[in-house]
Amino acid sequence: QVQLQESGPGLVKPSQTLSLTCTVSGGSISSGSYYWSWIRQPAGKGLEWIGRIYTSGSTNYNPSLKSRVTISVDTSKNQFSLKLSSVTAADTAVYYCARAAYNWGSVWFDPWGQGTLVTVSS
Amino acid sequence: QSVLTQPPSVSAAPGQKVTISCSGSSSNIGNNYVSWYQQLPGTAPKLLIYDNNKRPSGIPDRFSGSKSGTSATLGITGLQTGDEADYYCGTWDSSLEVFGTGTKVTVL
Repeated sequence: QVQLQESGPGLVKPSQTLSLTCTVSGGSISSGSYYWSWIRQPAGKGLEWIGRIYTSGSTNYNPSLKSRVTISVDTSKNQFSLKLSSVTAADTAVYYCARAAYNWGSVWFDPWGQGTLVTVSS
Repeated sequence: QSVLTQPPSVSAAPGQKVTISCSGSSSNIGNNYVSWYQQLPGTAPKLLIYDNNKRPSGIPDRFSGSKSGTSATLGITGLQTGDEADYYCGTWDSSLEVFGTGTKVTVL
């Protein structure tokens, strides 16, 4: 079965760029009609969708973060990545990667990675 | 700030039933399908329900989902201590994926 694993620095300085990678195992990132998403969760708070990418490279981002977000995919490594620029303390959160399935009017996320905590602090 | 509103908490004794509501509008729940996720303490969310009422393989039928108008409901019957978790609804809103505010389920 497909599994996802996030990796990247756990500490990022303010104004710098947060970079995370999600490695997909147990299946090809290119198989099936799935999108690959990033979602974050500040401590004690709810879930916020950041964006998604298809293996063609097509992306969609949350408008609230769009100016700072870049999601890319490397099918040869079965990975996709997140870059969030000009970070502040408000970007401190657990970051999850997840596989997203879409149908007309329908979206669901399954499976999810275990999550990685990124703290923005000097 | 989420556009989907859930009660902050619900509770019941073991073996009882709880329901969790997810209230939205015509731009989200009213015209799209709803999914539900369970987040056990310290873990990642897990898909429980998709397309309003479908369960992925491996999810027991104690969990059920429904939708009416601009609201959706998750039901958990035969409540177990292992069901203590946060639960989130999710759907589309103007081509943006959105989640509910989350509900903490406590087993008394």
